[in-house]
Amino acid sequence: EVQLVESGGGLVQPGRSLKLSCAASGFTFSDYNMAWVRQAPKKGLEWVATISYDGSSTYYRDSVKGRFTISRDNAKSTLYLQMDSLRSEDTATYYCARWVYYGYRGYFDYWGQGVMVTVSS
Amino acid sequence: DIQMTQSPASLSASLGETISIECRASEDIYSNLAWYQQKSGKSPQLLIYAANRLQDGVPSRFSGSGSGTQYSLKISGMQPEDEGDYFCLQGSKFPWTFGGGTKLELK
Repeated sequence: EVQLVESGGGLVQPGRSLKLSCAASGFTFSDYNMAWVRQAPKKGLEWVATISYDGSSTYYRDSVKGRFTISRDNAKSTLYLQMDSLRSEDTATYYCARWVYYGYRGYFDYWGQGVMVTVSS
Repeated sequence: DIQMTQSPASLSASLGETISIECRASEDIYSNLAWYQQKSGKSPQLLIYAANRLQDGVPSRFSGSGSGTQYSLKISGMQPEDEGDYFCLQGSKFPWTFGGGTKLELK
């Protein structure tokens, strides 16, 4: 059974840092591209960042570029999101999700339960 | 960025009613479209991928259609467990973008 379990969330002051982790199990982690998606309270979903299966390629939304870093440790089957210079608008539930393809059409097939990040003084 | 315009924002349906939710992309996304259901306090669950492919384990009353810039999700026979929020996702081009969501309630 595929499982994605996020951790590391909490309350942090603006300008500070936080690192999220996502422990994967039930599949060969190193075979899959992975991503972080967030959802502000009572709002819709927003893609944050993606990393390729081997970590060689990363992609970010503009609003987090230069502040967030996505990485992975395939030996530990763990995905990370280092969040620096946090802003109030980064307050959200952060989900890790697995990205797969049907032909050339990609989508998220599994999501973690999410972890809450609150940026406030 | 590709904008995904989803409608309606909310919908109330009777038991057994057939409903449709639409997503319109600001440019051709070549069927790179998935649909998700999210129940309160839970993570999204995949329903449909590649515009019309039903995810394993999802009831057959759910179906997807569309191409180019216009896509739709149909529920043929509303059930109580179908209450929740529904989102579309385009995976054609970075940044991947979601529709604004549709809140579906049982009347």
